[in-house]
Amino acid sequence: AQKVTQAQTEISVVEKEDVTLDCVYETRDTTYYLFWYKQPPSGELVFLIRRNSFDEQNEISGRYSWNFQKSTSSFNFTITASQVVDSAVYFCALSETGTNAGKSTFGDGTTLTVKP
Amino acid sequence: EAQVTQNPRYLITVTGKKLTVTCSQNMNHEYMSWYRQDPGLGLRQIYYSMNVEVTDKGDVPEGYKVSRKEKRNFPLILESPSPNQTSLYFCASSFRGVTGANVLTFGAGSRLTVL
Repeated sequence: AQKVTQAQTEISVVEKEDVTLDCVYETRDTTYYLFWYKQPPSGELVFLIRRNSFDEQNEISGRYSWNFQKSTSSFNFTITASQVVDSAVYFCALSETGTNAGKSTFGDGTTLTVKP
Repeated sequence: EAQVTQNPRYLITVTGKKLTVTCSQNMNHEYMSWYRQDPGLGLRQIYYSMNVEVTDKGDVPEGYKVSRKEKRNFPLILESPSPNQTSLYFCASSFRGVTGANVLTFGAGSRLTVL
């Protein structure tokens, strides 16, 4: 069975601080996808990034960066110079491929609060 | 506008009264799925569908039914709702990538209360 663990339930930072959200996953599949989604206080779920299991290239997009390490089964997400608008619940997710391609497993989420 | 539409957005019902939450997408996506969100438990997949007439159980399918008779629609049916099904429900869809499912597009959510 697949499992996604987000050990940090809640994080609180002051604006302009950097913050890293941790995600550790378990799967027996050799090919899979990893995602981060954001749920702001308004409630909608917004896609942030996708990585497939054979692409360990880390990425920076503006204030966001992602660190995928297959050796440690981790897919961490960093916000640099956090802003109040970054306050949200962040979900890490894993999707299978092949015959179970529609199956997705989400972590419990990390609630990030950025204080002014 | 590309979107996933769920209805109703809010519903209060009583134990045992059958209800259906509809979900429709206009993006011609092959994959559709239902999730429930409960405090501290993240999003848990209820059922998913990889194409018309192809559905499979997710992690928490008990008490729910689904059907996929048309590509655009994927209703969630609660035959006999119970209070433990009080939750926030999300429908999602995605197109089929080269090796599997792609990015999920979510509906706005349906908040269901069972008394």
